[in-house]
Amino acid sequence: DVKVTQSSRYLVKRTGEKVFLECVQDMDHENMFWYRQDPGLGLRLIYFSYDVKMKEKGDIPEGYSVSREKKERFSLILESASTNQTSMYLCASSFVGTGADTQYFGPGTRLTVL
Amino acid sequence: EDKVVQSPLSLVVHEGDTVTLNCSYEVTNFRSLLWYKQEKKAPTFLFMLTSSGIEKKSGRLSSILDKKELSSILNITATQTGDSAIYLCAVLLASNYQLIWGAGTKLIIKP
Repeated sequence: DVKVTQSSRYLVKRTGEKVFLECVQDMDHENMFWYRQDPGLGLRLIYFSYDVKMKEKGDIPEGYSVSREKKERFSLILESASTNQTSMYLCASSFVGTGADTQYFGPGTRLTVL
Repeated sequence: EDKVVQSPLSLVVHEGDTVTLNCSYEVTNFRSLLWYKQEKKAPTFLFMLTSSGIEKKSGRLSSILDKKELSSILNITATQTGDSAIYLCAVLLASNYQLIWGAGTKLIIKP
């Protein structure tokens, strides 16, 4: 079974803090994704990575950065957290090519910025 | 702009009813359409549909893609309280393997 884990289930931070969200997958997937999910807006792609050290901006990259130093690990960084970044953050991974259609999700991190 | 629209946004039915959820899309480079179920945690995969038009079934759930109408439906028969969830539809783009997500349908099954 594919396993995608995220470092925290719940996180509370203060405005201006630097926040690190970590995601690890154990299926040797090339693709990894970070989404945020807000009520009524569905999932919105923040960044994705298709290989180590490679990253692409998604729909809403502003205020975020990412790091992928190892294939299994994809980190999302909020350089200076703001209240409008309070959200559920979901990490996902998938293969490239055959099998790429299915993204496997981690349990999510519910981040509150005060 | 690529977009995926789901309807209705929310739905409340009684246990035992049959429901149909809709997903329509406008994308430049379609590869496949996926349905996910999300309860209190991460989305879990239900079905993948392609332009072949083949219906997918799993127990009381079934889904089919209408490539002419650029839409898909997800049917749930004999609903149970455990079917209460948000159902998400997404389209995978062939160009870059990105998923374009709908906003989801929140389904509530009343006992």
